Amino acid sequence: DTGVSQNPRHKITKRGQNVTFRCDPISEHNRLYWYRQTLGQGPEFLTYFQNEAQLEKSRLLSDRFSAERPKGSFSTLEIQRTEQGDSAMYLCASSPDRGGWTEAFFGQGTRLTVV
Amino acid sequence: DQQVKQNSPSLSVQEGRISILNCDYTNSMFDYFLWYKKYPAEGPTFLISISSIKDKNEDGRFTVFLNKSAKHLSLHIVPSQPGDSAVYFCAASADASGTYKYIFGTGTRLKVLA
Repeated sequence: DTGVSQNPRHKITKRGQNVTFRCDPISEHNRLYWYRQTLGQGPEFLTYFQNEAQLEKSRLLSDRFSAERPKGSFSTLEIQRTEQGDSAMYLCASSPDRGGWTEAFFGQGTRLTVV
Repeated sequence: DQQVKQNSPSLSVQEGRISILNCDYTNSMFDYFLWYKKYPAEGPTFLISISSIKDKNEDGRFTVFLNKSAKHLSLHIVPSQPGDSAVYFCAASADASGTYKYIFGTGTRLKVLA
């Protein structure tokens, strides 16, 4: 399967713990996005990578959140000292860079529950 | 500040009839628009897109219309099928952002009745 892969699919953690999610984009897709979706809302933009460079971070991404994309391949999203408000679906998407707009392909998401 | 709005949280349509999903936006800098479909426990799946230089784009049963002066777009599905039952999100992006990120609406849940 050559789609966007996210692991784990589900994560339950206690408040205050750190969690890390992984995203493997479609091969050769230069652009990688992280979004967060809560119940009844659309996906909210968190951050964007062009290859290994993190070019934009939303103000939603507090200092407890950090994302990396070493070598421009897979990406990780870490949340430190989790809070109950962090409970959400975390979505990763990738798209090719053809010099303009292209549709983004989403993974199945990681559902985080903070108890 | 909700820049992309989908004011109808849900819509029910009989199989074979037309489904019309609406989306309004406030940012006049948006120049690319997409529709995504989402089934439960899955990520959004791309359906169709339109650039601001067009007012219509068609792909099979799906047609997107863009009215720039009204800052409004709509997705028409005809004929509707039970498998179309899902949540539909419209999304928009502005070239000026430089990152091609998409701003999503809150979604409309479509139910196609057999």
